[in-house]
Amino acid sequence: TQLLEQSPQFLSIQEGENLTVYCNSSSVFSSLQWYRQEPGEGPVLLVTVVTGGEVKKLKRLTFQFGDARKDSSLHITAAQPGDTGLYLCAGASSNYKLTFGKGTLLTVNP
Amino acid sequence: DSGVTQTPKHLITATGQRVTLRCSPRSGDLSVYWYQQSLDQGLQFLIQYYNGEERAKGNILERFSAQQFPDLHSELNLSSLELGDSALYFCASSGGDIRYFGPGTRLTVL
Repeated sequence: TQLLEQSPQFLSIQEGENLTVYCNSSSVFSSLQWYRQEPGEGPVLLVTVVTGGEVKKLKRLTFQFGDARKDSSLHITAAQPGDTGLYLCAGASSNYKLTFGKGTLLTVNP
Repeated sequence: DSGVTQTPKHLITATGQRVTLRCSPRSGDLSVYWYQQSLDQGLQFLIQYYNGEERAKGNILERFSAQQFPDLHSELNLSSLELGDSALYFCASSGGDIRYFGPGTRLTVL
C-alpha cells in the first residue's frame, strides 16, 4: 500500500510569514500533484510535478519534487489570508491510481 | 468551477436509512471517482467507474454501492447508515491523472 505522509498536520501563521509543508513517501510515484481545498469546496489542482528534482513556481508558491520522486515540498512566501486552506498532495502511479495524503491545514491570520 | 456537479449539497438523515448521492462529470470525461473525506481519515478513495463499468475499488464498505449510467452521471448509494458514515462525499472526474472535484455532499447521520 502506498502511503503519503504530510507534515505538519496543522499550521497557523501570521500574514507575511514564509512556510514550507512536506509530503513524504517510501514509494516512487510517476508524478505528484498538489491540491488546495477551501472550506465547503472540493480540492482544486495547483500543480503537477513529474521529473525528479523538478521545481515549479506559481506566483508565491514554489513546489519541488524530490530527486527520487518519493517526496515533495510546497513553500509559500509572504503568506496571505487568501492562502488559507487544506493543502493535499497526491501521488500518481502508472495505472492512473492517485493516492492522497491527509493534508496540511493552513491558517494565515491577518 | 470544476464542471463537476453534485447533489444534494447537504443531507441529514437517521441511522439505518438509505441515501443516494448524485454526480455529473465534466463534459467529455468518462471516469468518475467517489471519495469520502473525514477529519481523521482524510480523503479516502471509494470507487471508480469508467464509461459505465467499474474500474477500481478502494475502501468502500459493502453497505455502499455505486453505478454509472449511459449518460455518464453516477450515483453513490449508502445504506444501513451509521453515525460513522457522517462525512463529506466528493465525486471527481478525470482526464488522465488529474482529478476535477465537485463541491461535495455533506452527509450527517443522526
